[in-house]
Amino acid sequence: GQSLEQPSEVTAVEGAIVQINCTYQTSGFYGLSWYQQHDGGAPTFLSYNALDGLEETGRFSSFLSRSDSYGYLLLQELQMKDSASYFCALEGGYQKVTFGTGTKLQVIP
Amino acid sequence: ETGVTQSPTHLIKTRGQQVTLRCSSQSGHNTVSWYQQALGQGPQFIFQYYREEENGRGNFPPRFSGLQFPNYSSELNVNALELDDSALYLCASSLRDGVYTGELFFGEGSRLTVL
Repeated sequence: GQSLEQPSEVTAVEGAIVQINCTYQTSGFYGLSWYQQHDGGAPTFLSYNALDGLEETGRFSSFLSRSDSYGYLLLQELQMKDSASYFCALEGGYQKVTFGTGTKLQVIP
Repeated sequence: ETGVTQSPTHLIKTRGQQVTLRCSSQSGHNTVSWYQQALGQGPQFIFQYYREEENGRGNFPPRFSGLQFPNYSSELNVNALELDDSALYLCASSLRDGVYTGELFFGEGSRLTVL
């Protein structure tokens, strides 16, 4: 099976940079995705790494290292609206996705 | 907005009852996956439907079943409801034929409470 671990909570200051880590155990996967979910809302896609390295999408960047079984999401220029839960997720083929435990990010003024 | 719609948005059932949840996938998508999300946890994969066939199941018992229709909309059925079935049920649509961008398109979910 697959398992993904994330810190349960992170607090950061508005305007700062925050990194949310994800470590995983799997026998194989195609890529690592990141999703944002506000309370009561649907998960929304942020980023996807099919290959090792950094992917940048506006204020969000995601990194993957297959050799270290590790990835992270980097959020820059934090805004209050970034307060949400963030999930890393492994794509195991045919778009079957296993989600991590989730990190609740609180942005404070 | 993703174009994925789910109904009903909220419902309350009692133990032992049956429930049907519905999902309309985004136009052009041929794959629907269902997830269960308990409070404070990540979504858990239930199963996936691709071109009207079940194509993979997570660690859920047979009382969780589904359908996909020719227009690619889908239903999730849960029989003999248990208290632990209380959760947010999410539907995600995608297009399996072509280059995968890593993105699943989620609906807002159906919040099920079992009493």
